[in-house]
Amino acid sequence: EPEVTQTPSHQVTQMGQEVILRCVPISNHLYFYWYRQILGQKVEFLVSFYNNEISEKSEIFDDQFSVERPDGSNFTLKIRSTKLEDSAMYFCASGAGTTNTDTQYFGPGTRLTVL
Amino acid sequence: DAKTTQPTSMDCAEGRAANLPCNHSTISGNEYVYWYRQIHSQGPQYIIHGLKNNETNEMASLIITEDKKSSTLILPHATLRDTAVYYCIVTRHPGGTSYGKLTFGQGTILTVHP
Repeated sequence: EPEVTQTPSHQVTQMGQEVILRCVPISNHLYFYWYRQILGQKVEFLVSFYNNEISEKSEIFDDQFSVERPDGSNFTLKIRSTKLEDSAMYFCASGAGTTNTDTQYFGPGTRLTVL
Repeated sequence: DAKTTQPTSMDCAEGRAANLPCNHSTISGNEYVYWYRQIHSQGPQYIIHGLKNNETNEMASLIITEDKKSSTLILPHATLRDTAVYYCIVTRHPGGTSYGKLTFGQGTILTVHP
């Protein structure tokens, strides 16, 4: 069964450093998403990406964040200058985007720790 | 997207059916009810979804009331591995101005005990 994969599983970085979190969505899916979950809190939507551009983003997704689909398979989330409060689990998801059904499938997540 | 209300926690005995309720009184006709679960800190796992009719798959059944204002997720024979946080989410599918984002609440912590 196809699945979303994410790398690395755990990333430790120093405050102020740039990090890139990588995701390989399910092949043939058209919609891509990033969510995050701070320890003990709700899963929060960050951004959706469709047709090679951001389609929707939350207030959390400020200028420090960017997303890219550099090739036909990878989908990345970049945080330019990490802050302590960026420490969280980051989940990538993808969806087929058809009208009648659009289940989002989530990856296992990347745990980001900012020191 | 419509807001959902779920109990904070529930218990269930192993082998029994787990019935998880969800209220979504402001749901509109083109909004779907989705159920996901999250085991520990793993990625949310899709369970089932429906628009207005009851649905069943290999994992669970979804019962949606006729007025769509509430639904119940049924795990027919709960196992210890079903212990997780269960999220009821109302969303529209991509199309028009919707891009299908999921808004997670706190969910219901289901504990299955021996």
